[in-house]
Amino acid sequence: NAGVTQTPKFRVLKTGQSMTLLCAQDMNHEYMYWYRQDPGMGLRLIHYSVGEGTTAKGEVPDGYNVSRLKKQNFLLGLESAAPSQTSVYFCASSDGTLIGEKLFFGSGTQLSVL
Amino acid sequence: AQSVTQLDSQVPVFEEAPVELRCNYSSSVSVYLFWYVQYPNQGLQLLLKYLSGSTLVESINGFEAEFNKSQTSFHLRKPSVHISDTAEYFCAVSKKGAQKLVFGQGTRLTINP
Repeated sequence: NAGVTQTPKFRVLKTGQSMTLLCAQDMNHEYMYWYRQDPGMGLRLIHYSVGEGTTAKGEVPDGYNVSRLKKQNFLLGLESAAPSQTSVYFCASSDGTLIGEKLFFGSGTQLSVL
Repeated sequence: AQSVTQLDSQVPVFEEAPVELRCNYSSSVSVYLFWYVQYPNQGLQLLLKYLSGSTLVESINGFEAEFNKSQTSFHLRKPSVHISDTAEYFCAVSKKGAQKLVFGQGTRLTINP
């Protein structure tokens, strides 16, 4: 059982480049989330989705876009990367019945923007 | 909106010593409370949760947390820590029926031999 899989695990970008982070879950979960983790700031929600074809903004959505075309996948895009987006990105999923109790995380993507 | 404050960014302790990681939350409505743990180079895992009922909740590896409504706190404790407890610990809160979880800033627990 793979759970939540994030690709890639590491990436280095130059300012202005674009990239897409992929999150895939095999638990048939309705809810999916993208967080960023920065020292001293904990995890901050970027965007989330409560079902296929839906997305919503979290606390820090600026500079990011997301898509949920298939239930099992949640993509996070950076159209023009900036050094402030250097962070560790975590994807999570939940079946939605009780947020927090059943939240499963991927192992993270470490992104550096030079 | 809910918010979570973890009062200590780092807590160093000696092995077999007791530890308390502090967490305070703010919310005007009923909430669920959680502690997550992140071991080095891994994603977060649920450690324990408070949903309702007994205010003292326990995990399988010896941690416990007590929900204190009057002080809006959910501090995490362990009477005797091990090297394997070295990790970052996150307190989190969600409003009942909410679609989102709000995390605190995290507390890095370092165990010294």
